[in-house]
Amino acid sequence: EDKVVQSPLSLVVHEGDTVTLNCSYEVTNFRSLLWYKQEKKAPTFLFMLTSSGIEKKSGRLSSILDKKELFSILNITATQTGDSAVYLCAVAPRDTGNQFYFGTGTSLTVIP
Amino acid sequence: DVKVTQSSRYLVKRTGEKVFLECVQDMDHENMFWYRQDPGLGLRLIYFSYDVKMKEKGDIPEGYSVSREKKERFSLILESASTNQTSMYLCASSFRSGNNEQFFGPGTRLTVL
Repeated sequence: EDKVVQSPLSLVVHEGDTVTLNCSYEVTNFRSLLWYKQEKKAPTFLFMLTSSGIEKKSGRLSSILDKKELFSILNITATQTGDSAVYLCAVAPRDTGNQFYFGTGTSLTVIP
Repeated sequence: DVKVTQSSRYLVKRTGEKVFLECVQDMDHENMFWYRQDPGLGLRLIYFSYDVKMKEKGDIPEGYSVSREKKERFSLILESASTNQTSMYLCASSFRSGNNEQFFGPGTRLTVL
């Protein structure tokens, strides 16, 4: 059975800390892995990763994929209170019409 | 900007009522999805549709049905609401072909009393 596992489930850090969120997957016929940020509303898209070893970067956020070991990490440097959210990892297999498998999410709280 | 809208942000219904949740997208996406999101369980797919009048069951379709009469609109129906259907319901849409992200609506928090 295909699955996506995120760790840790929750995390509390102080402003300025660096955090690493993990996503491992067992999905048949992998096509892409996506990261979303969810505050008290709709999940918003962060990154899509399809190739191993190529870092995607946006400001203080970055992500990388390892297709051999079947995981991805999302790094956030110099965290701010506005980074507090649930971070969702999703994996899209091929040939499923763009259906995704989601992990349970990591809840990040950044305290001043 | 892609816009996915849902008919209600908050909804309170009684056990046994019929409930309609509406979702509309304005980007001509072929695919539309309904998820429910519960603490500790993440997003679970209820149903999805890849074309008008087409539907596919997701992981947890029991107790739900869907309708897609127009490309831009995807409705989730709870024929007889039960308390275990209290949840956050998220709608999403995407293009069908290629490698595409899903765009989400703001969610409907449904409480069934």
